[in-house]
Amino acid sequence: QKEVEQNSGPLSVPEGAIASLNCTYSDRVSQSFFWYRQYSGKSPELIMSIYSNGDKEDGRFTAQLNKASQYVSLLIRDSQPSDSATYLCAVNGRNTPLVFGKGTRLSVIA
Amino acid sequence: DGGITQSPKYLFRKEGQNVTLSCEQNLNHDAMYWYRQDPGQGLRLIYYSQIVNDFQKGDIAEGYSVSREKKESFPLTVTSAQKNPTAFYLCASSPGVQPQHFGDGTRLSIL
Repeated sequence: QKEVEQNSGPLSVPEGAIASLNCTYSDRVSQSFFWYRQYSGKSPELIMSIYSNGDKEDGRFTAQLNKASQYVSLLIRDSQPSDSATYLCAVNGRNTPLVFGKGTRLSVIA
Repeated sequence: DGGITQSPKYLFRKEGQNVTLSCEQNLNHDAMYWYRQDPGQGLRLIYYSQIVNDFQKGDIAEGYSVSREKKESFPLTVTSAQKNPTAFYLCASSPGVQPQHFGDGTRLSIL
């Protein structure tokens, strides 16, 4: 059974700080990694994808992947109250559907 | 605008009743998916389809059925065999296997 593990939180950070969200996965052959943001009562929204080791930056978001450690993270710089949401990590291998973690709830305090 | 449309937004099921949730996409995506989300939980895969007239069971398919007669449509039926149907149901689509984009969801409750 493929598993994706996330700390459920809540993770509380002050406005303007860096929020660091972490995710580990069990299937060593996983190839694609995604972060989704889900506001309360809404559907998930894709915010980042990463496919190779290292960092990928998009605006205030940076995804980091370490396949040897089976670890993927999301950094949010200059956190804003509007970033308060649940962040879902999703992982899959070749031609297999995504497996989602249970999500980390982030709260940015103004 | 291109997107994924789920209907209805809210649905109530009586005991012993089958109900069908609609999912339509105009993104020309090959793959479509149904997930269930319970409060405080992640998304669990019910069924998925990578091509018309073909679909596969996900992790929690028991008590559910689907069809994929058209590329644009992937309806989900929650049968009376699903004893705990109350949840948030999400439909997604993708051009291949990934990444997936979601509809706005349907909230199903028991009357």
